[in-house]
Amino acid sequence: AQSVTQPDIHITVSEGASLELRCNYSYGATPYLFWYVQSPGQGLQLLLKYFSGDTLVQGIKGFEAEFKRSQSSFNLRKPSVHWSDAAEYFCAVGTFPGLRFYFGTGTSLTVIP
Amino acid sequence: DGGITQSPKYLFRKEGQNVTLSCEQNLNHDAMYWYRQDPGQGLRLIYYSQIVNDFQKGDIAEGYSVSREKKESFPLTVTSAQKNPTAFYLCASRGGGMPHEQYFGPGTRLTVT
Repeated sequence: AQSVTQPDIHITVSEGASLELRCNYSYGATPYLFWYVQSPGQGLQLLLKYFSGDTLVQGIKGFEAEFKRSQSSFNLRKPSVHWSDAAEYFCAVGTFPGLRFYFGTGTSLTVIP
Repeated sequence: DGGITQSPKYLFRKEGQNVTLSCEQNLNHDAMYWYRQDPGQGLRLIYYSQIVNDFQKGDIAEGYSVSREKKESFPLTVTSAQKNPTAFYLCASRGGGMPHEQYFGPGTRLTVT
């Protein structure tokens, strides 16, 4: 069965520090992988996506993620966090050729000055 | 601007009443989705639709109903049979092409007392 695990419920980092949010997935075929960000009371915004090719993908707002098939992981990184990055982050896997998407339970990011 | 509209932003109902949440998209997307979001549980799929006049149950369809009479619209009815309807509801759509990410609306917060 498909599933996504985000092991960190909440992370606190200092502004300017680096960030890594973890995501592990379970899927039998080549996954489509996504990271979304959600501000309080808002919808989800796509940060980046992986389909195939280069395993290091760049997204918006200075985020990047690396797909590691051997570890079934798709961790999100940012070299220097800004206060505006405080939000909830969701990792998701999309199935092919189906239409289903499976989301992790999210990681809440707090940025301290 | 293309996007997804959900209305209203906040909705209050008395227990025992049915309530319908609106979702409209002008992205010309075929697939549309309804998710429920509760704290610490991520996004759970209620219903999804691939084309007009067709829809499938997701993981938590009990107590909910949908219709898809137009490509642009996918309303969700929360019935009195839903035991715990208070939640944040997100509508999404997905276009063609690869990888097929979802686009999300701003959400509707439903409170039932």
